[in-house]
Amino acid sequence: GAVVSQHPSRVICKSGTSVKIECRSLDFQATTMFWYRQFPKKSLMLMATSNEGSKATYEQGVEKDKFLINHASLTLSTLTVTSAHPEDSSFYICSALWREAGKNIQYFGAGTRLSVL
Amino acid sequence: AQKITQTQPGMFVQEKEAVTLDCTYDTSDPSYGLFWYKQPSSGEMIFLIYQGSYDQQNATEGRYSLNFQKARKSANLVISASQLGDSAMYFCAMREGIGGKLIFGQGTELSVKP
Repeated sequence: GAVVSQHPSRVICKSGTSVKIECRSLDFQATTMFWYRQFPKKSLMLMATSNEGSKATYEQGVEKDKFLINHASLTLSTLTVTSAHPEDSSFYICSALWREAGKNIQYFGAGTRLSVL
Repeated sequence: AQKITQTQPGMFVQEKEAVTLDCTYDTSDPSYGLFWYKQPSSGEMIFLIYQGSYDQQNATEGRYSLNFQKARKSANLVISASQLGDSAMYFCAMREGIGGKLIFGQGTELSVKP
């Protein structure tokens, strides 16, 4: 399967600071990437769809000024949590869309555990 | 209404036995894809298997097979010869149409007993 790298795996920051999370597709070009948030023992909640060279599409209820997404190349998307607060503490996970024969499979990174103090 | 339903919050299986994880879906789109992912305690989401709505045969990948019953709108995952390393959360997901967006079920936590 395709390989997606996500960095950092864990970050602890102070309230009010910004945190950047990187998502890279290592062995394929991904015009589309996705960012999810997951609460403990819950399913994945889609935050936004990131398209290379264009603005991200945010899901309802997700603050675009709070969660900045940039997809500047075919292998890299970044999520920046701006002015982080304790309620932003969560598990964030990205995926890259691998298109082949109509299957359109999302391959995921290992996730980032964010703790805001 | 839920588009993807996993009715088993938790399942236990004895090592080396087979286990079936249930998944039902709801869509009016004739073109869709069904996926299963495994999430160990480390958090990564591991793609296991894919079934397209027009696929005639049930998908298989090693010890994983997907029991696709289109008329009943079910896409159960069968894991044969369970191993201790299979203990994890398992998520069923659906993609409607040709877009990439996935809708996930609530997940089933599988525990494999030695």
